[in-house]
Amino acid sequence: AQSVTQLDSQVPVFEEAPVELRCNYSSSVSVYLFWYVQYPNQGLQLLLKYLSGSTLVESINGFEAEFNKSQTSFHLRKPSVHISDTAEYFCAVSEGLRGATNKLIFGTGTLLAVQP
Amino acid sequence: DAGVTQSPTHLIKTRGQQVTLRCSPKSGHDTVSWYQQALGQGPQFIFQYYEEEERQRGNFPDRFSGHQFPNYSSELNVNALLLGDSALYLCASSFRVGLGAKNIQYFGAGTRLSVL
Repeated sequence: AQSVTQLDSQVPVFEEAPVELRCNYSSSVSVYLFWYVQYPNQGLQLLLKYLSGSTLVESINGFEAEFNKSQTSFHLRKPSVHISDTAEYFCAVSEGLRGATNKLIFGTGTLLAVQP
Repeated sequence: DAGVTQSPTHLIKTRGQQVTLRCSPKSGHDTVSWYQQALGQGPQFIFQYYEEEERQRGNFPDRFSGHQFPNYSSELNVNALLLGDSALYLCASSFRVGLGAKNIQYFGAGTRLSVL
């Protein structure tokens, strides 16, 4: 069965410092990987996705994530964070099966708390 | 282009009552998935609708049921509410046809249900 592990429930970091949010998954088949961000009292916004191709994916606001198949990881990084990046970040996985939109399996989330 | 819309935004019910939540998918999307997000947890998959039929189901009891209409909008019904049903209910829409794109789910802002 698929599962997603986000080891860090909370990551405090100072503004303009780099950050890494860790995500590991388990699956016996090929997967699609996602990072979603949730701001307080809001729904989920898609931040990054890995479907195929280059293992390094980037977002428009400076985040990047690298798919590492051998380590079954999809860690999220940003070289310099802003106060506005404070939010809950969820890693999710779905099986790469054709012909369907497959359910997302989410981790428990990591709260990124950016301090001035 | 309207995104995924959910109504109502907040709802308060008492134990034993029934509730109906509504979702309109993003324009052009034909598949709707529902997730339950308990406080401090990642979203859990409830079920998915495509072509007005339930296609996948997560580990939720039969008290949770749904419907999809010809215009692709969807409802989530929960009967005999329990205190533990208190959560944020998220709707996600996606486009089923086409390699890759079909696996990207876009979320609404959610309906926060409180059961007293």
